[in-house]
Amino acid sequence: QQQVKQSPQSLIVQKGGISIINCAYENTAFDYFPWYQQFPGKGPALLIAIRPDVSEKKEGRFTISFNKSAKQFSLHIMDSQPGDSATYFCAAEAWGQNFVFGPGTRLSVLP
Amino acid sequence: NAGVTQTPKFQVLKTGQSMTLQCAQDMNHNSMYWYRQDPGMGLRLIYYSASEGTTDKGEVPNGYNVSRLNKREFSLRLESAAPSQTSVYFCASSEARQNYEQYFGPGTRLTVT
Repeated sequence: QQQVKQSPQSLIVQKGGISIINCAYENTAFDYFPWYQQFPGKGPALLIAIRPDVSEKKEGRFTISFNKSAKQFSLHIMDSQPGDSATYFCAAEAWGQNFVFGPGTRLSVLP
Repeated sequence: NAGVTQTPKFQVLKTGQSMTLQCAQDMNHNSMYWYRQDPGMGLRLIYYSASEGTTDKGEVPNGYNVSRLNKREFSLRLESAAPSQTSVYFCASSEARQNYEQYFGPGTRLTVT
């Protein structure tokens, strides 16, 4: 049972453009929303995370926007670079439960 | 500081064979996890160990067993491999179970023929 929906499945962006990946959830008990980045042949690594008490968190070129009422959150990558080409997973966690991951978005940034 | 290490990196098994995937972490983390990753499915939790001496089932535990050997090591065993277990397996660890970053190993690519 997929509790976190993620779109798009794949995304192609020109260098310098903005990449946007969206996630939606149903479980209102979720209280921690991390994003993981995975390069081919590697394990996922935490990119940025947010808790529902804030609507936005920015770290460098990466921003999470969180809409609690809509039960949606998104990752924005500004000034996308070829080195950002990877698969991105959103995830959610509720206290006492385990992480639930979205199915992933494969991002390709063209030079 | 190697982080999370996994062995082997690749493995091919015949249906019915058994094997153990090894995982170790050197970050003194309390919690450890085993995930499988399949195309279009994201990461699905097989088993986890919230602390040394405890293990619990995750979302997809059937066909697997685990052992938390000590605080550092957490192994995953396939007793009788099936083609449906062809996947990439990741071990992860975190300082504690809730609201902490999970650190992932490099993965084991397993093919069952």
